Amino acid sequence: GAVVSQHPSWVICKSGTSVKIECRSLDFQATTMFWYRQFPKQSLMLMATSNEGSKATYEQGVEKDKFLINHASLTLSTLTVTSAHPEDSSFYICSARDPRWGLGYEQYFGPGTRLTVT
Amino acid sequence: GQQVMQIPQYQHVQEGEDFTTYCNSSTTLSNIQWYKQRPGGHPVFLIQLVKSGEVKKQKRLTFQFGEAKKNSSLHITATQTTDVGTYFCAGPLRGNDMRFGAGTRLTVKP
Repeated sequence: GAVVSQHPSWVICKSGTSVKIECRSLDFQATTMFWYRQFPKQSLMLMATSNEGSKATYEQGVEKDKFLINHASLTLSTLTVTSAHPEDSSFYICSARDPRWGLGYEQYFGPGTRLTVT
Repeated sequence: GQQVMQIPQYQHVQEGEDFTTYCNSSTTLSNIQWYKQRPGGHPVFLIQLVKSGEVKKQKRLTFQFGEAKKNSSLHITATQTTDVGTYFCAGPLRGNDMRFGAGTRLTVKP
């Protein structure tokens, strides 16, 4: 199957700083990527849909000025958590759908990034 | 808005017992997908169901999609310790993104 990578796998930052997380599709081109947040023992909450070459679509309640998403190429989407606070500490996971299979097919998830804000 | 509800939240079984998790949607789904997330890992795609009343099997796992395409189930026969993890169902919200259920966390006692 397709491979999605994420970097870094974990990061610790101080409150008030910004953190960038990268999501790459390694063996396919992804026009659309998805960003999820997962708190311990909870489900995946969709934060935003990242569209290559255009603005991301944010879910209700997700601050677009705080969670900046850039999808500059067909293989790379980045999520920047700006002015991070301890409540932003979470597991951030990206996913992508291989467009060769059309809509509604499986999503390939990255390994996730564990963010801890102190 | 559209929601995908999943029960139970937790299930603890003895190795060899069966396990079932159920997923219900407030609206008709064009398809439903199932994922497994091992502890400390990321979700891994298991299967997609598309047709009304569809039943698919993968070894000890049986997936069903309801006739009305609003509910689905995953049944594991004779659980093994390797089945441990959280099982999520997911349905499309706007056609391009997936809304995940709360997940069912399965633990298996050897």
